[in-house]
Amino acid sequence: DIVMTQSPDSLAVSLGERATINCKSSQSVLYSSNNKNYLAWYQHKLGQPPKLLIYWASTRESGVPDRFSGSGSGTDFTLTISSLQAEDVAVYYCQQYYSTPLTFGGGTKVEIK
Amino acid sequence: QLQLQESGPGLVKPSETLSLTCTVSGGSISSSSYYWGWIRQPPGKGLEWIGSIYYNGSTYDNPSLKSRVTISVDTSKDQFSLKLSSVTAADTAVYYCARHYNYVGCGYFDYWGQGTLVTVSS
Repeated sequence: DIVMTQSPDSLAVSLGERATINCKSSQSVLYSSNNKNYLAWYQHKLGQPPKLLIYWASTRESGVPDRFSGSGSGTDFTLTISSLQAEDVAVYYCQQYYSTPLTFGGGTKVEIK
Repeated sequence: QLQLQESGPGLVKPSETLSLTCTVSGGSISSSSYYWGWIRQPPGKGLEWIGSIYYNGSTYDNPSLKSRVTISVDTSKDQFSLKLSSVTAADTAVYYCARHYNYVGCGYFDYWGQGTLVTVSS
């Protein structure tokens, strides 16, 4: 199984400031045949289902604000919220879809400082 | 707009079988592009993929659940179902159904149901 490790577990950021979440996979999720990273990011708010933010490590889902961006390759990935808004308070998860079982990171809780 | 809706009992007794159904509307379950999956979240914990099914009945499931999982599909009703046998309190969770793209059985989840809480208790 590919183990996904997120850091930090939680972070508090002031409104308008940058939030950075890291995700590390236990093996590479980069497919050499198409040069794509099989890595997605989700936002999970209390009482709602998770919402897809980013796929292929850096492709923003339609309708997702451009303050959300994804980067990284191989085993190390980052989700950045460039200017934190109040509505961004949530738990964020990374997920690999390189192989089954599909696995998620443990989550990073983002709060307002 | 595609919608998914979970249904089933909210309370299951220990050692019995948990049964949930996901109804897909606004689109067809019989698409070659997608798998249909189940994910759960125990209280205070993270997300765990349970398994997924293709419209032709092909399935993948999580070995961590030790063969307790059965996933089936009914294309005539645009529904897919989950059965989890021999449940214990550790199976108490919010259960989500979701769609993911088919990249040789894998994919990211782009549409999710609202989730349903299933409690295992006598």
